[in-house]
Amino acid sequence: DIQMTQSPSTLSASVGERVTITCRASQSISAWLAWYQQKPGKAPKLLIYKASTLVSGVPSRFSGSGSGTEFTLTISSLQPDDFATYYCQHYNSYPYTFGQGTKLEI
Amino acid sequence: QVQLQESGPGLVKPSETLSLTCAVSGYSISIGYYWGWIRQPPGKGLEWIGSIYHNGRTYYNTSLKSQVTISLDTSKNQFSLKLSSVTAADTAVYYCARRSSAFDIWGQGTMVTVSS
Repeated sequence: DIQMTQSPSTLSASVGERVTITCRASQSISAWLAWYQQKPGKAPKLLIYKASTLVSGVPSRFSGSGSGTEFTLTISSLQPDDFATYYCQHYNSYPYTFGQGTKLEI
Repeated sequence: QVQLQESGPGLVKPSETLSLTCAVSGYSISIGYYWGWIRQPPGKGLEWIGSIYHNGRTYYNTSLKSQVTISLDTSKNQFSLKLSSVTAADTAVYYCARRSSAFDIWGQGTMVTVSS
């Protein structure tokens, strides 16, 4: 199985800051990577798929990059609504796996 | 607008079978896409359980393969999850989701507790 490792596990930041979350795959997954945002008590929300394609309606301050085994999610200027937990997930092959999550807190 | 809604018992006894259903509205599941189940234990991360293609082909998490069955009911436009021989470790919020470009549409989730 492909293991997905996110870093950091927790990230403290302020409104207006630029932040980056990293996701590493244990083997190449090409660009078959998605990023999700989850708020407490809610289902995850897809932000980015195929490593860098922004879902329609997601603010442009979110961006994704990478291919192969290393990927990043960047939020260019944090807004209050962005404080949440973020997960990466590969869908290169079965079984799919998620990263352990990055909690973004104020 | 496609919507998914999970349903099923909120409490299951250890060693019994957990059964959940995901009702899909706004799209016929017999036409296309993969349909999946993901779970999240309290305070923990997300775990993919398995997926089913619109033609009925299934794919399961390696660690759960012996316990899991996912099936389609096209007459009711829903798909189901059965997880056998459950233990307390199976206590989680269970989500159903559609996979097109990754999991793009999710149900709201349903909490299932395994306890006697």
